[in-house]
Amino acid sequence: EPEVTQTPSHQVTQMGQEVILRCVPISNHLYFYWYRQILGQKVEFLVSFYNNEISEKSEIFDDQFSVERPDGSNFTLKIRSTKLEDSAMYFCASRGLAPDTQYFGPGTRLTVL
Amino acid sequence: AQSVSQHNHHVILSEAASLELGCNYSYGGTVNLFWYVQYPGQHLQLLLKYFSGDPLVKGIKGFEAEFIKSKFSFNLRKPSVQWSDTAEYFCAVSWGNNDMRFGAGTRLTVKP
Repeated sequence: EPEVTQTPSHQVTQMGQEVILRCVPISNHLYFYWYRQILGQKVEFLVSFYNNEISEKSEIFDDQFSVERPDGSNFTLKIRSTKLEDSAMYFCASRGLAPDTQYFGPGTRLTVL
Repeated sequence: AQSVSQHNHHVILSEAASLELGCNYSYGGTVNLFWYVQYPGQHLQLLLKYFSGDPLVKGIKGFEAEFIKSKFSFNLRKPSVQWSDTAEYFCAVSWGNNDMRFGAGTRLTVKP
């Protein structure tokens, strides 16, 4: 069964550094998402991406964040200058045409020191 | 604003007890409803979903949920829980073609 994959599984970085989190969505899916989950808290929507552009973003997704689909398979989340409060689990998800289920990747645990 | 509420933060049950986790959402109209489960140290997995049709939806592992439009609710149920059901359960809703929003989650602990 096809699945969403994410790399790395764990990223440790220093405050102020840039990080890029990578996701490979399911191949025939058209909508892509990033969510984050701070330890012990709920899953929060960050951004959705369709047709090579952002379709919706939350208040969390400020100028420090960007997303890109650099090729036909990868979908990346970049945090330009990480802050301590960016430490969280970041989940990528993808789906086909609506209505459809979003399928989640295993997540990348980001630790900012 | 669109929101999803899960009333129970932490539920503790003994094995074989029945389970019901509440989920309510704001606004009516067309909704797609989901329950995801997150086992300790693992990622989100879909338990069940409702798009249309029979409001009683059956999912994996013996879970079911009922969509009650008049109450804006989509409660998750299981007649007899097992120790292996210990996990975090998230209700999620999307309105029309909009993107999904999650509830705060309910931690379920099942005592053997």
